[in-house]
Amino acid sequence: GDSVTQMEGPVTLSEEAFLTINCTYTATGYPSLFWYVQYPGEGLQLLLKATKADDKGSNKGFEATYRKETTSFHLEKGSVQVSDSAVYFCALSKPSGTYKYIFGTGTRLKVLA
Amino acid sequence: EAGVAQSPRYKIIEKRQSVAFWCNPISGHATLYWYQQILGQGPKLLIQFQNNGVVDDSQLPKDRFSAERLKGVDSTLKIQPAKLEDSAVYLCASSPREGENTEAFFGQGTRLTVV
Repeated sequence: GDSVTQMEGPVTLSEEAFLTINCTYTATGYPSLFWYVQYPGEGLQLLLKATKADDKGSNKGFEATYRKETTSFHLEKGSVQVSDSAVYFCALSKPSGTYKYIFGTGTRLKVLA
Repeated sequence: EAGVAQSPRYKIIEKRQSVAFWCNPISGHATLYWYQQILGQGPKLLIQFQNNGVVDDSQLPKDRFSAERLKGVDSTLKIQPAKLEDSAVYLCASSPREGENTEAFFGQGTRLTVV
């Protein structure tokens, strides 16, 4: 079945370091891909999305490119801040009858000042 | 625009008791989802509504979980009787347009602890 695999955390970085969180997916057809972020005590918020191959989603300095050939959607940021500390979830959605979202297990990011 | 509202935020119950969660989606959103998020895991879909009809409840443990969406707006999720393994955050989400692949908007969730 369809699935999303993320790198395990926690990821601990110093402020201004470069961030990569790996995400790969398994799905038939042409899913849309998403990154959601969950700050402590809050619900999930959409960070960015891409709906077709080679699309690049970007928001708040974060970027991810939909790579169909490698079935990947890695999240990157050039310079992280303490306020980026959160759990990041990669997800896919495809219209298999309904638009159902499938999430990865999440990657916790901790940024140290 | 008001977000997805959920209540209560926290609930502690003993095993074998019953509990209900409430969700009010963003106004006009046709699709409503209930997810279960166990600590350290990603959200798992329990049930998906399109207006007031169920379109996917394949992962809902129907012997103890039930959900309804009256008049295609608010929704309640009930667990009866609760088990220890039901301890999790229950997330409600909604998305705007039927048949389109738009992002889901999430509420803050209800953290359930079963003791």
